[in-house]
Amino acid sequence: AQKITQTQPGMFVQEKEAVTLDCTYDTSDPSYGLFWYKQPSSGEMIFLIYQGSYDQQNATEGRYSLNFQKARKSANLVISASQLGDSAMYFCAMREPSRTPLVFGKGTRLSVIA
Amino acid sequence: DSGVTQTPKHLITATGQRVTLRCSPRSGDLSVYWYQQSLDQGLQFLIQYYNGEERAKGNILERFSAQQFPDLHSELNLSSLELGDSALYFCASSPQQLAHNEQFFGPGTRLTVL
Repeated sequence: AQKITQTQPGMFVQEKEAVTLDCTYDTSDPSYGLFWYKQPSSGEMIFLIYQGSYDQQNATEGRYSLNFQKARKSANLVISASQLGDSAMYFCAMREPSRTPLVFGKGTRLSVIA
Repeated sequence: DSGVTQTPKHLITATGQRVTLRCSPRSGDLSVYWYQQSLDQGLQFLIQYYNGEERAKGNILERFSAQQFPDLHSELNLSSLELGDSALYFCASSPQQLAHNEQFFGPGTRLTVL
């Protein structure tokens, strides 16, 4: 069964607008971590934001915030005030304590339009 | 710059050959993870080492092997290469084995098998 689902293969957003990238996950473990990574065309994987399953508040890092809805098992990434440099692939990932590697979704390609 | 280094950045070789990819984790990080990113399979976990010992195995082929040395750098050996092994290979490191810490990715090695 797929653990991480990203239903949007591609998204477009106007510069300076906000955009939400969807991510749903599947786990029976009460303790887990959720991560978002950015992969620009150059290929490197850049860590953006982390949310723990027991965290009471939604994580925020600068223009990035994570809309964590535990009951719905969703962990959407919100990028505010989009910039041209935000154009990239975005991957949602999960890590369960009993399994050390990250499990990634298939990614969403975000294109920011001037 | 994540602090994780990988060499070489690009590698072009022929089918049947053997290559070695090298990774140096961030200073102080004990865990090293290897991931493969291909167009059809997405990002897949291959293998993890923690302080020199193998800790977790993913979808790693028998033709592939890895090790982590006393100085904590790691090498991924790929042998009897096939066209389908062409992919971007990432190394990631994290300070602890099981905690919900983010994994920091290296820039990747792009392997092309002709």
